[in-house]
Amino acid sequence: SQQGEEDPQALSIQEGENATMNCSYKTSINNLQWYRQNSGRGLVHLILIRSNEREKHSGRLRVTLDTSKKSSSLLITASRAADTASYFCATSPWSGAGSYQLTFGKGTKLSVIP
Amino acid sequence: EAQVTQNPRYLITVTGKKLTVTCSQNMNHEYMSWYRQDPGLGLRQIYYSMNVEVTDKGDVPEGYKVSRKEKRNFPLILESPSPNQTSLYFCASSLAGELFFGEGSRLTVL
Repeated sequence: SQQGEEDPQALSIQEGENATMNCSYKTSINNLQWYRQNSGRGLVHLILIRSNEREKHSGRLRVTLDTSKKSSSLLITASRAADTASYFCATSPWSGAGSYQLTFGKGTKLSVIP
Repeated sequence: EAQVTQNPRYLITVTGKKLTVTCSQNMNHEYMSWYRQDPGLGLRQIYYSMNVEVTDKGDVPEGYKVSRKEKRNFPLILESPSPNQTSLYFCASSLAGELFFGEGSRLTVL
């Protein structure tokens, strides 16, 4: 069952620009996570934001969460060619042990042009 | 180094020939899971395990089996592979809800 839907599906920017990706979901969540996947490789966890949080930062990443609109955004500032990857949001409706059950969106493919 | 290791990384096989994709993690995680990734369909969960001897179906379990006899290992078994199981497979383990993924196993069934 697909919960998160990323937008846009693809994004191409110049190195140094900021990249913004959005995720919308349908049902109530306990937490929302963002992952990065380099072409054909395993997904790497970037950041987790809980339903009672509105914004979170990690290095050049900023994630916001609006539970009233059931949406989240991932901002990558001062992008680099190495940021070229697909980015996925994943949601969990459960707390505790159930929070491990994540539903992934289909991803945004980001291309950063040197 | 903390990691999730899958083998084989690449495999071409024929319809009906049983195969096993192994998954091992060295982080002492209780939760492990298998996903398949297909173009246009994203990542879909096949099976998961909350702990040793506890497994449950995900969204697309048909044609797959798993076992969890020890905490570190979670093999994925295809008893009779079919071409629609051609896909990129990922094993993952979890601590506090954050998933750690293996590098993937690309399986082609002819």
